[in-house]
Amino acid sequence: NAGVTQTPKFQVLKTGQSMTLQCAQDMNHEYMSWYRQDPGMGLRLIHYSVGAGITDQGEVPNGYNVSRSTTEDFPLRLLSAAPSQTSVYFCASRQPGQGGDTEAFFGQGTRLTVV
Amino acid sequence: AQKITQTQPGMFVQEKEAVTLDCTYDTSDQSYGLFWYKQPSSGEMIFLIYQGSYDEQNATEGRYSLNFQKARKSANLVISASQLGDSAMYFCAMRERAYNTDKLIFGTGTRLQVFP
Repeated sequence: NAGVTQTPKFQVLKTGQSMTLQCAQDMNHEYMSWYRQDPGMGLRLIHYSVGAGITDQGEVPNGYNVSRSTTEDFPLRLLSAAPSQTSVYFCASRQPGQGGDTEAFFGQGTRLTVV
Repeated sequence: AQKITQTQPGMFVQEKEAVTLDCTYDTSDQSYGLFWYKQPSSGEMIFLIYQGSYDEQNATEGRYSLNFQKARKSANLVISASQLGDSAMYFCAMRERAYNTDKLIFGTGTRLQVFP
């Protein structure tokens, strides 16, 4: 059981390049999210999805696109990389509970540097 | 708007002692969940403990307990009998329970260092 798998683990991009961070989960979770972690700022929500075909913006969505065509995959696309997008990116998934809340399971993170 | 505040950037504790990591939150919703995550130096996020806003008892998970004071909007994490492996960043987070949303808001974290 792999859980939440992110690829790549490390990436260096030049300003203006585009790329896709991959996220896959094998727990059949309905909900998936992307966060970025910057020094001293904790994790901030970029985009999230509550099911295949349904996505919405989080706190810091500018410069990022997402789509959710399957339950398992939730890729994050950087359209034109900027140095301000240098960060550690985390993907998370969870299955919403019936009577209460549930914890999110996180991937190992992708460290992205934009030069 | 929701907000999580962790006022302790760093904490030190001696091995086998207890330590409390502070977390206050702000929300206008009545239904929400509070979470604590641990992030060791290897970088992964590890779920520790959860408290629902309607839970009457404080949550406990092994050596972790959550001191939930709803009127004061605080959700402090208590680690008993600290171990060297507890050295890590600790994040408090909150999620409002709303239909078809999944917004988890994090604090800035507290770095805990356990010394022998």
